[in-house]
Amino acid sequence: DQQVKQNSPSLSVQEGRISILNCDYTNSMFDYFLWYKKYPAEGPTFLISISSIKDKNEDGRFTVFLNKSAKHLSLHIVPSQPGDSAVYFCAAEGAGGTSYGKLTFGQGTILTVHP
Amino acid sequence: DAGITQSPRHKVTETGTPVTLRCHQTENHRYMYWYRQDPGHGLRLIHYSYGVKDTDKGEVSDGYSVSRSKTEDFLLTLESATSSQTSVYFCAISLRTGTNEKLFFGSGTQLSVL
Repeated sequence: DQQVKQNSPSLSVQEGRISILNCDYTNSMFDYFLWYKKYPAEGPTFLISISSIKDKNEDGRFTVFLNKSAKHLSLHIVPSQPGDSAVYFCAAEGAGGTSYGKLTFGQGTILTVHP
Repeated sequence: DAGITQSPRHKVTETGTPVTLRCHQTENHRYMYWYRQDPGHGLRLIHYSYGVKDTDKGEVSDGYSVSRSKTEDFLLTLESATSSQTSVYFCAISLRTGTNEKLFFGSGTQLSVL
């Protein structure tokens, strides 16, 4: 039972345009959400996170939106650059100290940004 | 990279043999984790540690054991490797600053069980 789902296995975008990556979750106990980027043969690298008390968090070209009622989050990349081409994972963590660092990941979305 | 080193980077082994993967960190982090990555599943938590000799099971712990006798080393052991354990294994440490928390991952170990 996949508690975090990324329903789009891949996304192709033109350089300079917006990339929107989506993620849905089913567990209402999740209260912290993260996005990771992964290049081939490397470990995932942290991109941006959001707490459930917020609905938006920005960091440069990256913005994460959280819709708790819909159990949906999205990552916007504006403008997209060829170097953004990678696999993007969303991840969720439950509340409380016992959940610390124990992330539930989505399946990943392969983003390709064309020059 | 938060000072995380995984070894070996690649390993090929045969079914039924024991395998130990090592995660070494140099910055005295207390919390360490082992995840595996498989197509269609993202990353899944195998075991985690909140300190020396303090370990517990994650979502997919069957067939795996861990040990943490020193803060800097977190070992993952496959007692008798099976083909279903062919995967990429990532070690991670956790850093919290205020209310923000991040996992930092090592570069991974590609394990093939034939």
